[in-house]
Amino acid sequence: DAGITQSPRHKVTETGTPVTLRCHQTENHRYMYWYRQDPGHGLRLIHYSYGVKDTDKGEVSDGYSVSRSKTEDFLLTLESATSSQTSVYFCAISGPNSLGGGFTDTQYFGPGTRLTVL
Amino acid sequence: EDQVTQSPEALRLQEGESSSLNCSYTVSGLRGLFWYRQDPGKGPEFLFTLYSAGEEKEKERLKATLTKKESFLHITAPKPEDSATYLCAVQAQGGSEKLVFGKGTKLTVNP
Repeated sequence: DAGITQSPRHKVTETGTPVTLRCHQTENHRYMYWYRQDPGHGLRLIHYSYGVKDTDKGEVSDGYSVSRSKTEDFLLTLESATSSQTSVYFCAISGPNSLGGGFTDTQYFGPGTRLTVL
Repeated sequence: EDQVTQSPEALRLQEGESSSLNCSYTVSGLRGLFWYRQDPGKGPEFLFTLYSAGEEKEKERLKATLTKKESFLHITAPKPEDSATYLCAVQAQGGSEKLVFGKGTKLTVNP
């Protein structure tokens, strides 16, 4: 299994409070991602990082921010949590494509964080 | 806009009853198509990557195939431990790292 851990694994919080989720990898992969998974929507990309301090938005980035100060850690912050952000959050990592060309390849996922915003 | 549609949404099989799951996609140039397995309460587990039409890959009772418009995940003589949700995702050419996922097919294999 890819060396990916997420913390916390479960969290219950109240509307309006800030929340930070952590993803930690031991694979030294350049790319890291945050997804959310909701019934009826599948997995959707929130933000991703292509290097230390290099990040970009995904398709559902509103209300979320990210930071990556070290290769191994990627943080997802909900500045002011809302009930619509109740979801399961997955971190993923990817390394260089084995076919070459400078592209990344398969994304490997962490165990997830279940967040409930009351 | 890139899209992935998986069918059926749910599938019930008897142990040993072979079947196929479908993943139809529209993408502006396919870089790769990915299959994952997800068990309840866990993260997606990588199964296969397919890059070009005609490509096939196998792993135990699973075989993934790819055409220009769709991919199939064939399950031969399934066992109860194959019960899971199977996810399909595509990655487009053009340098984007984004994966677009389908909603998944929930497979239940009864003993």
